[in-house]
Amino acid sequence: QKEVEQNSGPLSVPEGAIASLNCTYSDRGSQSFFWYRQYSGKSPELIMFIYSNGDKEDGRFTAQLNKASQYVSLLIRDSQPSDSATYLCAFYSSASKIIFGSGTRLSIRP
Amino acid sequence: GAGVSQSPSNKVTEKGKDVELRCDPISGHTALYWYRQSLGQGLEFLIYFQGNSAPDKSGLPSDRFSAERTGGSVSTLTIQRTQQEDSAVYLCASSLVSAGGYQETQYFGPGTRLLVL
Repeated sequence: QKEVEQNSGPLSVPEGAIASLNCTYSDRGSQSFFWYRQYSGKSPELIMFIYSNGDKEDGRFTAQLNKASQYVSLLIRDSQPSDSATYLCAFYSSASKIIFGSGTRLSIRP
Repeated sequence: GAGVSQSPSNKVTEKGKDVELRCDPISGHTALYWYRQSLGQGLEFLIYFQGNSAPDKSGLPSDRFSAERTGGSVSTLTIQRTQQEDSAVYLCASSLVSAGGYQETQYFGPGTRLLVL
């Protein structure tokens, strides 16, 4: 079993709709969870981090963490073409090591 | 500095040559990480520094790869006798470490694009 699983996509969402990105992880000892956005040819940039179960909202972005089910998700409301990118989830494992998913390609169609 | 910087931004080399990649982390960040990303792939962890020491070198793909960090700041990643499969973007990131020893959010540099001919 991979340490972190993400659907590689591409996920195509119409402009203005909600984009939902999901990530599952295997290490129950994981504490901190991150979502990074990576535009083509650019380096990853942090969008959200979440430590506690539940939802965390920041503008159009909401991160959701469910430690019992071992998944973390990212919702993007009112999707814009500029949201088209690859989204990487990451977490700090119980071994104090950051693990990145391979990313989900999101495409927002006008 | 304001962010993580890396140099060179692009490097083209011939197979068998050695290359040296440099990373300058955010001032005050004690943790520094090197990753490799091949085209269309995810991030591959290479090595992690806490200060000048490297408690985790588990990701280095072969003994041709080495890294050092001096003065708790700048780090260099050296690839000896480069091979074509070494072609990738090499990303550096840095972070603070909390009082409890937790690594905090990583901030990435722009990367070095390495092409081995």
